[in-house]
Amino acid sequence: AQSVTQPDIHITVSEGASLELRCNYSYGATPYLFWYVQSPGQGLQLLLKYFSGDTLVQGIKGFEAEFKRSQSSFNLRKPSVHWSDAAEYFCAVGAPGGYNKLIFGAGTRLAVHP
Amino acid sequence: EAGVAQSPRYKIIEKRQSVAFWCNPISGHATLYWYQQILGQGPKLLIQFQNNGVVDDSQLPKDRFSAERLKGVDSTLKIQPAKLEDSAVYLCASSLSILGSGANVLTFGAGSRLTVL
Repeated sequence: AQSVTQPDIHITVSEGASLELRCNYSYGATPYLFWYVQSPGQGLQLLLKYFSGDTLVQGIKGFEAEFKRSQSSFNLRKPSVHWSDAAEYFCAVGAPGGYNKLIFGAGTRLAVHP
Repeated sequence: EAGVAQSPRYKIIEKRQSVAFWCNPISGHATLYWYQQILGQGPKLLIQFQNNGVVDDSQLPKDRFSAERLKGVDSTLKIQPAKLEDSAVYLCASSLSILGSGANVLTFGAGSRLTVL
């Protein structure tokens, strides 16, 4: 069965610092991979996705993520964090050929210090 | 395009009462999902519709939860009777998807926050 692990429950960074949020997945083949962001009281907004091809994908708001098959990882990165990036971030996996449902990780809550 | 609409945004009920949530997906989106997000956890799929048929309800507590999607557009999720552990945000999502493809993006609504006292 598919599963997603986000090892870090909370992360705090200073504004302007770089950021990396970790995501590991369990799936027998190459899944479809997603990162969503959720601000307080809001639904989930798609940051980026990986379906195939280039393993480094660019998303909105200056985020990028790299798919590493050997490590079953899809870590999210941003070179310089802004205070408005404070939110909860969810990694999700979808199964190719399946019914398009997504399995989500437990999320990482990001705090940004001024 | 208009997003996924959900109502109500907030609902407080006593345990053993009933509640219903409504979702209007993005126009033309064939697939509709209801997710439950308990505080501090990631969203968990409750039920997935393809047009007006159910394709996955394996994690729906069918003794108390029900959902329908009449005419393949709007959907309603009902809880009766509610328990304390049903306190959560109920997220509706939709996608322009083809079964078997997998490569589709879910668009989420803002959610309906339920508090059961």
